[in-house]
Amino acid sequence: AQSVTQLGSHVSVSEGALVLLRCNYSSSVPPYLFWYVQYPNQGLQLLLKYTSAATLVKGINGFEAEFKKSETSFHLTKPSAHMSDAAEYFCAVSLNQGGKLIFGQGTELSVKP
Amino acid sequence: AAGVIQSPRHLIKEKRETATLKCYPIPRHDTVYWYQQGPGQDPQFLISFYEKMQSDKGSIPDRFSAQQFSDYHSELNMSSLELGDSALYFCASSHDPPRLAGVGQFFGPGTRLTVL
Repeated sequence: AQSVTQLGSHVSVSEGALVLLRCNYSSSVPPYLFWYVQYPNQGLQLLLKYTSAATLVKGINGFEAEFKKSETSFHLTKPSAHMSDAAEYFCAVSLNQGGKLIFGQGTELSVKP
Repeated sequence: AAGVIQSPRHLIKEKRETATLKCYPIPRHDTVYWYQQGPGQDPQFLISFYEKMQSDKGSIPDRFSAQQFSDYHSELNMSSLELGDSALYFCASSHDPPRLAGVGQFFGPGTRLTVL
């Protein structure tokens, strides 16, 4: 069975600092992995996705993630945090890009001035 | 660019009432997914449709039913509402069949259902 674990339900960084949100997955077959962002009272917006091509994936708003099969990880990073990055971030896995998504528990990112 | 449309955006119902949530996918997207997100929770998959047929089913209560129509819009019908049904209900669409590779799912803004 597939599952996703996000380490840390809340992460706080200073503006301009590195953002690192952790995601580990378990899957019996090569997965497709996604990061979504959710702003308060809004829907989920796709940040980036891994689909078995390049292991380093670049997304919108300066975010990127690296797929590491040996570590079963897909951590999300951004070199310099901006106040507008404050939101809830969800890692998700799917056996294929069209199938249902299994979400992690979410990580709330706070950015301090 | 056109996005997924959900209506209504907010809905307040009493216990034991019924509710109908509607989802209009992005044009030319023929796969629709429904998710439920409880307060402080991650989204949970309910059900999906491809080409007007149910393609997968998750943790959807028997009190709920859904369908996809000929114009690809979908409706989630909820009966005998309970307090625990209060949640944000998301619809997502994809132009990929559920078992083929593609570009992923695009989410609507959600319908916030409050059951009193």
